[in-house]
Amino acid sequence: GAGVSQSPRYKVAKRGQDVALRCDPISGHVSLFWYQQALGQGPEFLTYFQNEAQLDKSGLPSDRFFAERPEGSVSTLKIQRTQQEDSAVYLCASSLAGGAVENEQFFGPGTRLTVL
Amino acid sequence: DAKTTQPNSMESNEEEPVHLPCNHSTISGTDYIHWYRQLPSQGPEYVIHGLTSNVNNRMASLAIAEDRKSSTLILHRATLRDAAVYYCILRDLITGTASKLTFGTGTRLQVTL
Repeated sequence: GAGVSQSPRYKVAKRGQDVALRCDPISGHVSLFWYQQALGQGPEFLTYFQNEAQLDKSGLPSDRFFAERPEGSVSTLKIQRTQQEDSAVYLCASSLAGGAVENEQFFGPGTRLTVL
Repeated sequence: DAKTTQPNSMESNEEEPVHLPCNHSTISGTDYIHWYRQLPSQGPEYVIHGLTSNVNNRMASLAIAEDRKSSTLILHRATLRDAAVYYCILRDLITGTASKLTFGTGTRLQVTL
């Protein structure tokens, strides 16, 4: 499998629980993005990594959301004290570096989070 | 950020061409026009992109107006597998690969037999 993988595919959490969502990007892809997609809406940007450096976290909705990519490959999105409004599909995407706007983003299948 | 406007939904018959419009009247000179699509229960996938000239690839064609204020994604022969939400996105050349994708609500394409 050469694509972006995400796990788990589905996660049900009780309100107040912490969750961790994992993303395995395509090998060699320097850039990694997280997006949040609410039901019936387009994906919305959360955060961006270049290697292990988190260069943009302007889309994270609150300080309960935290993302890391410690070794520049696998990334984890953590949500603390989940709320019902956090229910959404969380998408991860990776792309080659190089500064070329032509570099497409390759998306994983997403993790559907449901907070009860 | 420059904004795009697309119809909420369109329908097409299988094996017929489909023209998906996108308006981007505030596009800047350094904005590329990208199209992604999202099939049901999947992440978005890249379709095509262009700057000024019309573009063709194995999936689709992109026709860009001379003033760049609008563009049209053309699927030459729609199949049932093309049923998806299609997003028209502007990406700034200046920020390059680091630029996030700003999705709108897209156009939901329904393809019928």
